[in-house]
Amino acid sequence: NAGVTQTPKFRILKIGQSMTLQCTQDMNHNYMYWYRQDPGMGLKLIYYSVGAGITDKGEVPNGYNVSRSTTEDFPLRLELAAPSQTSVYFCASGPGLGNQPQHFGDGTRLSIL
Amino acid sequence: AQSVTQPDIHITVSEGASLELRCNYSYGATPYLFWYVQSPGQGLQLLLKYFSGDTLVQGIKGFEAEFKRSQSSFNLRKPSVHWSDAAEYFCAVGAGGGADGLTFGKGTHLIIQP
Repeated sequence: NAGVTQTPKFRILKIGQSMTLQCTQDMNHNYMYWYRQDPGMGLKLIYYSVGAGITDKGEVPNGYNVSRSTTEDFPLRLELAAPSQTSVYFCASGPGLGNQPQHFGDGTRLSIL
Repeated sequence: AQSVTQPDIHITVSEGASLELRCNYSYGATPYLFWYVQSPGQGLQLLLKYFSGDTLVQGIKGFEAEFKRSQSSFNLRKPSVHWSDAAEYFCAVGAGGGADGLTFGKGTHLIIQP
């Protein structure tokens, strides 16, 4: 009963480094999402995907890239890490039906120093 | 564009007392509304959802919420809180059925006093 799994749970990066946040789900959901959560700001959508090979920008996509080669996986890539990208990142998945909720992973806490 | 307002950043309630967390939304059509709870260091867990039908919806852990279209509100309630209810609570609205992502409020931090 894994649901949505995110790795790593914590990471510290230096400015300018790159990294990939991994997300995988085992519920066969077509829709997957990446959000970032900043203190006192709620969650904001970075990117989302409606199926393998299809991705689209959310509210705050700058500085990030995504790919969706399989239904299960939706990695988020930071190419040139900046201090403004220090945040907690959540991956979510859902069936894409309006009355069905999104299921969230436990998050990745990322610090850029 | 849709938006969600949670007017209370922090709320303190005594254990055993009743609770109401406020949520107001802005959306042109019938909204899909959700309440999520986040415990420290954890992801978000769905408490309840509304998309149509009965305006009073029941959720897990004894929570309920009432959809009031005239007030654009979807307030969360619980008749008697427990210390384990201390957490961050988020209201969210889904546009297009939520398929293209949810819009979240900024959250309400619930503190439970002994």
